[in-house]
Amino acid sequence: AQTVTQSQPEMSVQEAETVTLSCTYDTSESNYYLFWYKQPPSRQMILVIRQEAYKQQNATENRFSVNFQKAAKSFSLKISDSQLGDTAMYFCAFMRTAWAGANNLFFGTGTRLTVIP
Amino acid sequence: GAGVSQSPSNKVTEKGKDVELRCDPISGHTALYWYRQSLGQGLEFLIYFQGNSAPDKSGLPSDRFSAERTGGSVSTLTIQRTQQEDSAVYLCASSLTGSGYTFGSGTRLTVV
Repeated sequence: AQTVTQSQPEMSVQEAETVTLSCTYDTSESNYYLFWYKQPPSRQMILVIRQEAYKQQNATENRFSVNFQKAAKSFSLKISDSQLGDTAMYFCAFMRTAWAGANNLFFGTGTRLTVIP
Repeated sequence: GAGVSQSPSNKVTEKGKDVELRCDPISGHTALYWYRQSLGQGLEFLIYFQGNSAPDKSGLPSDRFSAERTGGSVSTLTIQRTQQEDSAVYLCASSLTGSGYTFGSGTRLTVV
């Protein structure tokens, strides 16, 4: 079974500073996808960044980047130049590759990030 | 529409009543998922539809929960004889390739 662990229930960061959210996972699969989703008060889950396990290069999307350590099964999210709009719940998620059956996402319990003005 | 649409946005029901939650996925998306998010928790997988295949119901918590997807498009999640522990946000998502979901804004269900 796949499990995703986020050990930081809450974090805060000063506006314009950098923050890193941690995520570890457990799987026996060799190929899979990892995601970070943002959930603002509107409830809608918004995809922040995606990483394919067979790619060694860390994914980057503007101010968001990941540190993917496959051997350690670690997938942390770094947010640079934090903005007030980054305040939200952040969920780490795991998904097996498409040919391995149902593509349901396994989620961590989330980290509530507050950006302080 | 351009996104995944869920209705109602909020639903308050009395314990023991049946409720139906609706999800309208992005047109052409073959995969549809239902998740439940309880207060302070992550998302719990409920059920998955892929094209015309039999749905994966492995996440449904009890036989009071059921879902259907008509014509490969709109899906309805039904909870019979609701209990207070069913109170949660129910999120629907759809995808085309299976590698990226688009989520709706969810239905907040409150059982009183």
